[in-house]
Amino acid sequence: EDKVVQSPLSLVVHEGDTVTLNCSYEVTNFRSLLWYKQEKKAPTFLFMLTSSGIEKKSGRLSSILDKKELSSILNITATQTGDSAIYLCAVDTHGKSTFGDGTTLTVKP
Amino acid sequence: DTEVTQTPKHLVMGMTNKKSLKCEQHMGHRAMYWYKQKAKKPPELMFVYSYEKLSINESVPSRFSPECPNSSLLNLHLHALQPEDSALYLCASSQVFQGKAGELFFGEGSRLTVL
Repeated sequence: EDKVVQSPLSLVVHEGDTVTLNCSYEVTNFRSLLWYKQEKKAPTFLFMLTSSGIEKKSGRLSSILDKKELSSILNITATQTGDSAIYLCAVDTHGKSTFGDGTTLTVKP
Repeated sequence: DTEVTQTPKHLVMGMTNKKSLKCEQHMGHRAMYWYKQKAKKPPELMFVYSYEKLSINESVPSRFSPECPNSSLLNLHLHALQPEDSALYLCASSQVFQGKAGELFFGEGSRLTVL
């Protein structure tokens, strides 16, 4: 059975802090790893990673995949209160995405 | 604004009712999905349609019946549901390129309450 594990499950930081969220996976037929942000409603896409060691970056957010370690990290620098959300990691295998339990990030002013 | 539209946003139904959830996308995506999400839990895959054909059914009870009338529409027919089926039902779509699915675009969900 495919498994995706995220850590920590929750995190409370202050504005300006840098955070690192972790995702590890055990799946058959890995195709890609995706990060999503979920606020009150539907998840919205952040990054898709398919190749090991190549960093994807968007503003203050960045992510990298380590296929040898079967893991990925999501970094957020200079956090803002608007970054408060659940961050979901998903692994796609043959067109099916399996989600981790998510990391709930709370950024305090 | 999401480009995947789901209706209704909220639905309350009794255990003997028959209702349907609807989903529409106009991004030309050829894969469409139904996910179920309970409070404080991640989305759980229910069904995948690829090129209008059901490709994945995650052992979902038959009281949930999906339908894909065309490449833009996805329905979920509900019948004889149980209170534990109360959840947020998310529709998503993605591109398919060389047999691989791209990132998921989610609708805002239909919040279902079964009494």
